[in-house]
Amino acid sequence: DAGVIQSPRHEVTEMGQEVTLRCKPISGHDYLFWYRQTMMRGLELLIYFNNNVPIDDSGMPEDRFSAKMPNASFSTLKIQPSEPRDSAVYFCASSPGTSEQYFGPGTRLTVT
Amino acid sequence: AQSVTQPDIHITVSEGASLELRCNYSYGATPYLFWYVQSPGQGLQLLLKYFSGDTLVQGIKGFEAEFKRSQSSFNLRKPSVHWSDAAEYFCAVGAGNTDKLIFGTGTRLQVFP
Repeated sequence: DAGVIQSPRHEVTEMGQEVTLRCKPISGHDYLFWYRQTMMRGLELLIYFNNNVPIDDSGMPEDRFSAKMPNASFSTLKIQPSEPRDSAVYFCASSPGTSEQYFGPGTRLTVT
Repeated sequence: AQSVTQPDIHITVSEGASLELRCNYSYGATPYLFWYVQSPGQGLQLLLKYFSGDTLVQGIKGFEAEFKRSQSSFNLRKPSVHWSDAAEYFCAVGAGNTDKLIFGTGTRLQVFP
């Protein structure tokens, strides 16, 4: 198994631009999680899905952030418009439903 | 509410020395407990997990952890540390009937030759 796949690995964009991060979970995993990691705030859960349905989006910082999971093998996290304070590493993780989560390599986002 | 405390922000050990990273949790029932490791520029990798049964759990890379209900602890140990073990280590607890994980703030391990 290839594990959780995230793209792009690095993204540099200017303030105000739209950013889309992509994730392919491990096949057969019913849960998908989006996290953000920064030095100041550590690892934060943004949103998670079960069977493609968003279950808890209480961690999404504001309306500029949105996430979708159109099918079991693909999810996106979109930031529109982006701001410098959104600079962070964004992780996607998937789980077979036993609480253990498997993380992707992350997308390092820099907003200038 | 569930919570996880990793009291040590930064630990430094010499290569070959033993290691113990502390983790305390707060949870009303029998928890699901995890240790993850994050090398620089990488994602989090699952080291080991505890669901039930034997309280001493073996993981990858020679790590083990012991669940102590009386102390609400799940400390990570390794008898002899290698330079490649330098990384950040996260303890996590499964949040009840959801599949969310509550993560500790992490312990950064530095290994001197």
